[in-house]
Amino acid sequence: QSALTQPPSASGSLGQSITISCFGSSGAIDGHNFVSWYQQYPGKAPKLIIYAVNNRPSGVPDRFSGSKSGDTASLTVSGLLAEDEADYFCNAYAPTNNWIFGGGTRLTVL
Amino acid sequence: QVQLQESGPGLVKPSETLSITCTVSSASIRSVNAYWGWVRQVPGRGLEWIGSMHHRGDTQYNMSLRSRVTLSADTSKNQFSLEMISVTAADTAIYYCVRHTNYEVFDYWGQGTLVTVSS
Repeated sequence: QSALTQPPSASGSLGQSITISCFGSSGAIDGHNFVSWYQQYPGKAPKLIIYAVNNRPSGVPDRFSGSKSGDTASLTVSGLLAEDEADYFCNAYAPTNNWIFGGGTRLTVL
Repeated sequence: QVQLQESGPGLVKPSETLSITCTVSSASIRSVNAYWGWVRQVPGRGLEWIGSMHHRGDTQYNMSLRSRVTLSADTSKNQFSLEMISVTAADTAIYYCVRHTNYEVFDYWGQGTLVTVSS
């Protein structure tokens, strides 16, 4: 059974950069580009910020970027702003489970 | 701007059936490249994909839920629906309807509706 593993928390200071990882077991990430990232504020619905590994929807600041290497996808937030403090979820297509999400990473901006 | 709005029961008794409808605005559920689906989230926890459907009939379900879930659409009303049978307390969650474009990315989300399973 495939799964996506994220660190439960991450933190960075204003203006710095932070990278959040997402490890995919059993081929959840390796071998395809169906990897997305979502930002969620408390009490709000998730919002798409990265799709197809490294593409940003219109309106998402270029401070957000995505990448992938082997079994691990990454989200990098550059020039941290206070408004970036939120939960971040990765999402990928796992052949055995269909679409799965990581457990989420709470980003704290110091 | 595409908008999705869930309408659900709020409270469902254990063993009964949960039904939620999603109304889509500023987009047609007949769009060729759009699937329409459901994602749920236990408050304070992670996200779980339930299933996605295309109006022409292709429907995919999360293997762990497929025995209890049915997705359907009413193109005349530009709505799609989720039905989950035999619910338990473990099904208590916020249910989001989503547009699943090209069956690749969940690009639009409803605001979510909290469904509590309790007697």
